Amino acid sequence: DAKTTQPPSMDCAEGRAANLPCNHSTISGNEYVYWYRQIHSQGPQYIIHGLKNNETNEMASLIITEDRKSSTLILPHATLRDTAVYYCIVRVATGGTSYGKLTFGQGTILTVHP
Amino acid sequence: GAGVSQSPRYKVAKRGQDVALRCDPISGHVSLFWYQQALGQGPEFLTYFQNEAQLDKSGLPSDRFFAERPEGSVSTLKIQRTQQEDSAVYLCASGTPNSYEQYFGPGTRLTVT
Repeated sequence: DAKTTQPPSMDCAEGRAANLPCNHSTISGNEYVYWYRQIHSQGPQYIIHGLKNNETNEMASLIITEDRKSSTLILPHATLRDTAVYYCIVRVATGGTSYGKLTFGQGTILTVHP
Repeated sequence: GAGVSQSPRYKVAKRGQDVALRCDPISGHVSLFWYQQALGQGPEFLTYFQNEAQLDKSGLPSDRFFAERPEGSVSTLKIQRTQQEDSAVYLCASGTPNSYEQYFGPGTRLTVT
């Protein structure tokens, strides 16, 4: 799986958008970008994933650059409960003989403050 | 519905003791993963099961680590002769082979003294 690079920490004011960047310059054509987050003392939680198109769900939006070498996770209205470590992960699609183990990096510690 | 559960949540073991960590995946989930998370680090893959078959154990750090899932549901991670470097949070996740999402349990925090 391709390697990802994320800033170690970021701050965001409550109610504002949090934009978390991720570089994945060696991503292959069949690899997806996944985002998970881990709130203190909990297991990681899936947020969103995408291949090349921008994606949005009830939790966040994912913007992937046209060359797919970087992406940004957007939390549109951050709350205090969004304080967590956010992991950007690149991996091949599941299905067939691929079972999709996750390779976590160090992630970005996002702190949302009042 | 019920998520992935793990027990115990906390375990303290003296160096040299054997420990067994349990994972109850979401009912019907075929895939089951174990990860190890050291303090301040991201989780690292240990092993993967599809039903009762252990298809990948490449992440197990030594032969002191053993995992099983005999009936394709509950899984146990066993660590023999624990060492201080085994202190970590052990996470279990389940899913389906064609699913994009893994569901994680809360983890077991193992402290070896």
